Amino acid sequence: ETGVTQTPRHLVMGMTNKKSLKCEQHLGHNAMYWYKQSAKKPLELMFVYSLEERVENNSVPSRFSPECPNSSHLFLHLHTLQPEDSALYLCASSQGDGGGYTFGSGTRLTVV
Amino acid sequence: DQQVKQNSPSLSVQEGRISILNCDYTNSMFDYFLWYKKYPAEGPTFLISISSIKDKNEDGRFTVFLNKSAKHLSLHIVPSQPGDSAVYFCAASQIQGAQKLVFGQGTRLTINP
Repeated sequence: ETGVTQTPRHLVMGMTNKKSLKCEQHLGHNAMYWYKQSAKKPLELMFVYSLEERVENNSVPSRFSPECPNSSHLFLHLHTLQPEDSALYLCASSQGDGGGYTFGSGTRLTVV
Repeated sequence: DQQVKQNSPSLSVQEGRISILNCDYTNSMFDYFLWYKKYPAEGPTFLISISSIKDKNEDGRFTVFLNKSAKHLSLHIVPSQPGDSAVYFCAASQIQGAQKLVFGQGTRLTINP
């Protein structure tokens, strides 16, 4: 158990569907992140939340909508995705003080 | 503009020998560097880090070297073991506020028996 739990582990969705990815951490961290990992590309930072406030949005298309209701939970709401959005979506948390991240196991998303 | 680069997508090393993974960065504001290890179907796990005030940090079989003038860091694993086979990501950040890690594209290390 890594301390950061992501559900579901795998998701297949059509381009017209709406789904949500969930991330939960009980490490007492105050910053949470969504990263996207596509094949043969660096991990791409999507969103950063610090103390439940979004502090970074890296030009992510509006079909991805994050939500951070409290410091332990982070969601990524998905709608009208494209096949090129298929990737591994990783959630991470940190203390925000210069320490490393703790990652979840990721959600493998396939858009058909 | 990729600020952190791992130019070797893959590396194959004999068990017991030294594995050297390299990473270059372009942003001189980075002052904290980390290595993560990733197995298939798992998230990356933290391996070792180094701050810019140091040029070497050692933890068991793992040593990270930082050359600030060359904007280069490397991870040495010695001796290499089959369980070290994984994808290794280099990451860099500035230690301020909500830390934002910038990752390289990863190097797949395979340790051959």
